[in-house]
Amino acid sequence: DAGVIQSPRHEVTEMGQEVTLRCKPISGHDYLFWYRQTMMRGLELLIYFNNNVPIDDSGMPEDRFSAKMPNASFSTLKIQPSEPRDSAVYFCASSFGQYSTEAFFGQGTRLTVV
Amino acid sequence: AQSVTQPDIHITVSEGASLELRCNYSYGATPYLFWYVQSPGQGLQLLLKYFSGDTLVQGIKGFEAEFKRSQSSFNLRKPSVHWSDAAEYFCAVGGGYGGSQGNLIFGKGTKLSVKP
Repeated sequence: DAGVIQSPRHEVTEMGQEVTLRCKPISGHDYLFWYRQTMMRGLELLIYFNNNVPIDDSGMPEDRFSAKMPNASFSTLKIQPSEPRDSAVYFCASSFGQYSTEAFFGQGTRLTVV
Repeated sequence: AQSVTQPDIHITVSEGASLELRCNYSYGATPYLFWYVQSPGQGLQLLLKYFSGDTLVQGIKGFEAEFKRSQSSFNLRKPSVHWSDAAEYFCAVGGGYGGSQGNLIFGKGTKLSVKP
């Protein structure tokens, strides 16, 4: 398997624009996680899904952020409108089973909002 | 509140020297503990994990960690550091259920530099 695939790897956008980050989990995994990494706050869990259903979105910072998982092989994280403080690296991770022992992380999307 | 503290932001060691990275946690239930490594521009790779049993756990790349419940610590060690170990290291804690292998609280990380 190619691992967790995120796209794009880098995104530069202007303030106010809509940004969509994409994630393809490892085939067969039933949990998907979105994290944000910043210098100030480190790695924070934004939201996670189980079997395509959002389970906990308490980490989503504002209503400008939304995440969807229309099927088992694809998820999006959307920011609308984007702001400079959204600049960060966004990671997607996936895992299998309620008692599995490891989540696998993608390489991340570096977002810069100017 | 649940939290993970990595007291050292940046550590520099000489190649061949031993290494210990500190991690302290605060967690209301029995913790599941992890160490991840992140190389520049890369995602996170799991080094090792502790769920139960032997408190000294072995991981990949020659790393080990010891869980000390009385000290709420899970320090990462390596007897002899290689230049390729230069990276950022993250300690994390989870509850071990309901997807929590990915639902983790991370420390702020320790950046390791290796001198030749």
